[in-house]
Order: sequence, then C-alpha cells, then structure tokens
Amino acid sequence: NAGVTQTPKFRILKIGQSMTLQCTQDMNHNYMYWYRQDPGMGLKLIYYSVGAGITDKGEVPNGYNVSRSTTEDFPLRLELAAPSQTSVYFCASTRQGTGVGGELFFGEGSRLTVL
Amino acid sequence: AQSVAQPEDQVNVAEGNPLTVKCTYSVSGNPYLFWYVQYPNRGLQFLLKYITGDNLVKGSYGFEAEFNKSQTSFHLKKPSALVSDSALYFCAVRDGYSSASKIIFGSGTRLSIRP
Repeated sequence: NAGVTQTPKFRILKIGQSMTLQCTQDMNHNYMYWYRQDPGMGLKLIYYSVGAGITDKGEVPNGYNVSRSTTEDFPLRLELAAPSQTSVYFCASTRQGTGVGGELFFGEGSRLTVL
Repeated sequence: AQSVAQPEDQVNVAEGNPLTVKCTYSVSGNPYLFWYVQYPNRGLQFLLKYITGDNLVKGSYGFEAEFNKSQTSFHLKKPSALVSDSALYFCAVRDGYSSASKIIFGSGTRLSIRP
C-alpha cells in the first residue's frame, strides 16, 4: 500500500524555469491538497481538489497551477520559478474531506530550491 | 475567521516525564480539532481528532488530547515521554462546515525528549 507518492523528492531550479511536482494516491480518495511548508511556519494551502475535474485555490495560489484529470493524480505546476517558491511541498489526500473530520494522509514531501 | 495558536515554539521534557503540547483555538460554531506529528524529513502523520463527545480523545503512540471548551484549548498530552516522541507537532482546526472546507494549521511546536 503506497499511500501518497510525491516526485521528485529534491529539485533545484533556476529563476524563471518551470516544473511540475507529481502526486499520486492509491487510496481512491476524492479530496487532494497541496501545501507548502516554510521554515518555522505551519503549512499553507496552495490548491485543493474535491474530485476529478474540480480544483480550487487555497491560501497561497499565486505562481502555481494544478489539474485533476483522474482521481489518483494531482500535479502541481510551477511557472516562472522565483526564490520565494523555495520551500518543501506536501501533497495530501483524504476520503471524507477535512471539513467533516477527514484525516489527511501526506506524502513524503518535495524539497524545492530556486536559485 | 477560524484560527489556531501554538504558544510554544519548543518544549523540552526528560524521558519518562509527562509531556504537554499546548494549542488554543478561535472558532465560530463547533470546532473540529486535529493533531498531526512530523518526524524529520517526513510528511505529517495524523495523531488524533476531536469532533464531538468525550472531551478526552485518545490517539496513536499513546498520545491523548483534552478538549476544553471554556478555555478554548486542545492540549496534547502523554503520561510518559519517549525519546522517539521527539518531533514537530501541529495542531489544526477546520475552517468551515462542509466536506470541502479546509483545515488551518498552527505554526508547530518542536518537542525534544532528552534521555
């Protein structure tokens, strides 16, 4: 049982480059989320999805895009990378939805550095 | 707006002693509260949650949390700390009442257990 899988684990980007962080889950969860974690800070929600074909912005969406073509996959796209996007990115999923008490399952994280 | 606060950046406890990690919240309506733990270089893991019912909630790894409505607190506790409990702990509260509602994380408390 793989749970939530994120790739890559580490990546260094130059300013202005673009990349996609991959996230896939094998638990048939409808709800998926992308968070970023900066040092000494809690997690900030970037984008989320309540099912295939449905996405919405979170707290800090600027500079990112997402898509949800299947239940399993929820990739996060960074366009024109900036140093402010240096962070650790976590993908998470839940069956019920966090607003009704759903427990989040997290991936191992993707550490991104923009130089 | 819903919010959650963790007033201590770091808590230091000797192995075998009881531990408490503090969390206070501000919500309108009934709070759904969560605790998550993050071990080094890993994603967050769910520990326990309060939705309704008994104010004392038991969770994974021997942890428990006490919901106190009058003090708007949800402190995480363990009777006897282990060195392996050393990690970063996050309190969270739901931000809304539908399944699509998000959760808001606190800034985290680093728990250090000395042998």
